[in-house]
Amino acid sequence: QVQVVQSGAEVKKPGASVKVSCKASGYTFTGYYMHWVRQAPGQGLEWMGWINPNSGGTNYAQKFQGRVTMTRDTSISTAYMELNSLTSDDTAVYYCARSSSLDYWGQGTLVTVSS
Amino acid sequence: DIQMTQSPSSLSASVGDRVTITCRASQAINHYLAWFQQKPGKAPKSLIYDASNLQSGVPSNFSGSGSGTDFTLSISSLQPEDFATYYCQQYNSYPYTFGQGTKLEIK
Repeated sequence: QVQVVQSGAEVKKPGASVKVSCKASGYTFTGYYMHWVRQAPGQGLEWMGWINPNSGGTNYAQKFQGRVTMTRDTSISTAYMELNSLTSDDTAVYYCARSSSLDYWGQGTLVTVSS
Repeated sequence: DIQMTQSPSSLSASVGDRVTITCRASQAINHYLAWFQQKPGKAPKSLIYDASNLQSGVPSNFSGSGSGTDFTLSISSLQPEDFATYYCQQYNSYPYTFGQGTKLEIK
């Protein structure tokens, strides 16, 4: 069965970076784009971008351009999302989700940015 | 960016009721519309893709329709586990965008 498992919660100081991992199993990792979506506390969902695990190609929402980097390691079927120059506004649960229709989601990773 | 507007923002209903949630796009998105269900503290769950296709394992009392700019999610005969927040999302063009959510509560 398809599973997407993310890394654990993180606490970061303003200005720092965070890297969240997303390990896929139960399907061909390189066959589906992996998307990243975040949700601030009590707020709605915000799409951040995707990575093509096959080619490594990426597409980032303009809001995050220059601050986000999505990578992957096909040998361990894992995608990564790194966000730099964190501020308190980046406090959120970060999700990875498979394919354009976001059919399978990870459990989420809470990133807290606080001094 | 394409703006997705859901209505209503909240809804009270009883077990057994039929409810409909509407999602309107600020420009045409063909049929590239998905619906998600989210319960507190949990990841969203995919219900419907391409406006009307049910994801595997989703109960048949969920249905979606629409094309262009206007879409609906219907839930016939509400079950206790259906009370949650529902989001629509367009994937016709970048950036993908979500509606603000509709909170479905028990009356």
